[in-house]
Amino acid sequence: QSLLTQPPSASGTPGQRVTISCSGSSSNIGSNTVNWYQQFPGMAPKLLIYLDDRRPSGVPDRFSGSKSGSSASLAISGLQSEDEADYYCATWDDSLSGPWVFGGGTKLTVL
Amino acid sequence: QVHLVESGGGVVQPGTSLKISCAASGFNFGGFGMHWVRQAPGKGLEWVALISYDGTRTYYADSVKGRFTISGDHSKSTLYLQMNSLRVEDTAVYHCVKDLGGALTDRYGMEVWGPGTTVTVSS
Repeated sequence: QSLLTQPPSASGTPGQRVTISCSGSSSNIGSNTVNWYQQFPGMAPKLLIYLDDRRPSGVPDRFSGSKSGSSASLAISGLQSEDEADYYCATWDDSLSGPWVFGGGTKLTVL
Repeated sequence: QVHLVESGGGVVQPGTSLKISCAASGFNFGGFGMHWVRQAPGKGLEWVALISYDGTRTYYADSVKGRFTISGDHSKSTLYLQMNSLRVEDTAVYHCVKDLGGALTDRYGMEVWGPGTTVTVSS
């Protein structure tokens, strides 16, 4: 059971806006920044959002991140079929000696 | 361009040891921390270990603490993971990952990922 809770699945139709949540606590999201990763089957994950809401070079501005209190969200606007993938949140947890934690992942389906 | 290539994976028996490597290029290896992250078949991502940019700090997931050791050779720009007392539940693809933060902090997280090397622990 991960310290970060994500819905196991999400879906949307092309052009829609979809949001994926990541719920934590004061020891992780509440006091540290959040990163989001995108992973296609059989591929290595790719950094999508870092420091809560920053996009690495090359990531479309359709992807955005936000955080409020102990929860974070990834929003994808103008959903495209190629966005179908697994999405993970990650952050540092102050209560752990092994501090990095991932959410359980959300499988996004484009209908 | 950052390039990470893992090697050394294979099939081993429970209780044995294995050392995997990650050759890094395209950046100042001595200026950034490095992580190992694994993914068991059909499962999510699990963070395993982090070594700071200067090698003075190491962190481990509770599931591997006391059995795994992360290290780096700056002269070879290579990251290692020594895995001892391997268990069936250690079976996974192991990814080497460059950290975002470098000397600033250990808390920025994982940036560029290697494709991974597969470790299978089975009798």
